[in-house]
Amino acid sequence: EAGVTQFPSHSVIEKGQTVTLRCDPISGHDNLYWYRRVMGKEIKFLLHFVKESKQDESGMPNNRFLAERTGGTYSTLKVQPAELEDSGVYFCASSRFYEQYFGPGTRLTVT
Amino acid sequence: RKEVEQDPGPFNVPEGATVAFNCTYSNSASQSFFWYRQDCRKEPKLLMSVYSSGNEDGRFTAQLNRASQYISLLIRDSKLSDSATYLCVVTMKTSYDKVIFGPGTSLSVIP
Repeated sequence: EAGVTQFPSHSVIEKGQTVTLRCDPISGHDNLYWYRRVMGKEIKFLLHFVKESKQDESGMPNNRFLAERTGGTYSTLKVQPAELEDSGVYFCASSRFYEQYFGPGTRLTVT
Repeated sequence: RKEVEQDPGPFNVPEGATVAFNCTYSNSASQSFFWYRQDCRKEPKLLMSVYSSGNEDGRFTAQLNRASQYISLLIRDSKLSDSATYLCVVTMKTSYDKVIFGPGTSLSVIP
């Protein structure tokens, strides 16, 4: 069974630019989560999809972040415009029930 | 007070040692509990779920004490490959599932 995949693995952009991260969950997993880990800090929840619906987006830092999951399959997380403090590793996870399986993450660097 | 707290670490132990990690959570509505391990610059990987009756998987034993709102992970006969950061994860069932990661405890097993 293929695991959670994320693209790109690394992204370096300048402040003010736009970046879109993609996550492909494990097939059949209705739950999809986005997390972020800023250097030296713990992993923070961003949002949770159940199929195509946003179940909880209380962790989204501000309206520069937009997540979508059209058709309930893959998800994108867009940051527009990016700021320096957005740098970190963005993890996606999927689950059928409560046990979550993580993707390898996208390391985002905003310069 | 953080919702999920863990031993600050780091733990440096010799091979073959037994090491225990503790995790406390503040919200009594917490329902599901997990231990994840995260290797340096990698994604978190599910180590084990934690059940009320306690559970064991080889050298790893997890226990839950709901009254004290406390979770533990015991590793026996430590191996070099056990070196990683161990994350305590708590899920609360409110109107949606809220997932909270602890800050993690770093373990280094020394030859």
